[in-house]
Amino acid sequence: DGGITQSPKYLFRKEGQNVTLSCEQNLNHDAMYWYRQDPGQGLRLIYYSQIVNDFQKGDIAEGYSVSREKKESFPLTVTSAQKNPTAFYLCASRALYQPQHFGDGTRLSIL
Amino acid sequence: DQQVKQNSPSLSVQEGRISILNCDYTNSMFDYFLWYKKYPAEGPTFLISISSIKDKNEDGRFTVFLNKSAKHLSLHIVPSQPGDSAVYFCAASGNAGGTSYGKLTFGQGTILTVHP
Repeated sequence: DGGITQSPKYLFRKEGQNVTLSCEQNLNHDAMYWYRQDPGQGLRLIYYSQIVNDFQKGDIAEGYSVSREKKESFPLTVTSAQKNPTAFYLCASRALYQPQHFGDGTRLSIL
Repeated sequence: DQQVKQNSPSLSVQEGRISILNCDYTNSMFDYFLWYKKYPAEGPTFLISISSIKDKNEDGRFTVFLNKSAKHLSLHIVPSQPGDSAVYFCAASGNAGGTSYGKLTFGQGTILTVHP
């Protein structure tokens, strides 16, 4: 069954720690995206990648890092430099001429 | 600077009636628009899209209208059903939809509640 898998669903982080959110897709999509959603707000783009080994900053990239070593995987690291990391994080992927498809998200909370 | 705005945070509708969700944009370079539906603790699901070369697109109970001169689009759901209760996001892109892997700009979302 094709889709986008984000894990874990809930994640807790101590202040000062880096944490990595997983995103895997088996849809054979070239492009992948990371968004952040805060209460009462829309989705804001953190990073996106159109091809393996290449990625671009989105609107709110500060305090985040990504890698794209494989087509299927686009992990997001929330670093200690991100001052307000508590949010719902969504990963998406897309094929050419198709809309973005989303995973079910990871909710990150600070302990 | 909010380039895509959904000015109604919520909308309540009776089952069987029409739901109209609105979205305004400011960037004249946007030429492809989408609506997504989202349930709590889940990712958004694509509903319907429209290119700027059209002013209307229909898919079953869902119709999207685009008024380019007013920079306004709307989603009509007829008839509304209780299962339609969710958050609806409009999104816009400036890359002619599928011609590149361009990024989307999302509105804040509108919570639709359909009462039985």
